[in-house]
Amino acid sequence: QKEVEQNSGPLSVPEGAIASLNCTYSDRGSQSFFWYRQYSGKSPELIMFIYSNGDKEDGRFTAQLNKASQYVSLLIRDSQPSDSATYLCAVNLKREYGNKLVFGAGTILRVKS
Amino acid sequence: DTEVTQTPKHLVMGMTNKKSLKCEQHMGHRAMYWYKQKAKKPPELMFVYSYEKLSINESVPSRFSPECPNSSLLNLHLHALQPEDSALYLCASSHLAGGYNEQFFGPGTRLTVL
Repeated sequence: QKEVEQNSGPLSVPEGAIASLNCTYSDRGSQSFFWYRQYSGKSPELIMFIYSNGDKEDGRFTAQLNKASQYVSLLIRDSQPSDSATYLCAVNLKREYGNKLVFGAGTILRVKS
Repeated sequence: DTEVTQTPKHLVMGMTNKKSLKCEQHMGHRAMYWYKQKAKKPPELMFVYSYEKLSINESVPSRFSPECPNSSLLNLHLHALQPEDSALYLCASSHLAGGYNEQFFGPGTRLTVL
């Protein structure tokens, strides 16, 4: 089982719709979770982080965390063509030598106008 | 200033060359990271520096040699690389090297090894 799993997509949604991106992780002790957006040829950009169970909203983005189910999701409301990118879920995993940020493979999102 | 900068943007080198990648942040962060990202793959951690000391080396070959001259600067020295080392090299920084610390990435250096 991979440490962080995402559906690679592509996920296609029409402009104005809600895009729902999902991520599961294997380490039950993980405590911090991040969503990065990466445009083609660019570096990852942090768009959301969440540490507690429940929802966290920031503008059009909502991150949801369910530690019991080891599940993190990102909702993008009113999707725009400019949201088309790869979305990387990242989980901070504890190792004996320190914490390590591990990324999922990423989900490609395409927003069609 | 909330930016991580990296130079150069692009680098082409032969297998016998020695080159260095540079990273700088002025956010007062005390943890800095090097990642390697191959096409259509996620970033993979290479090194972590915490308070200017190397704290994590993810079993990276010795042809990659990191250096942290001060709390704002991070270098990656390259020597005798192989073509399979061609990738996007990303620098990141965070307030501390702990679980509750968001990492911010620089724009990356796209490296091609001939």
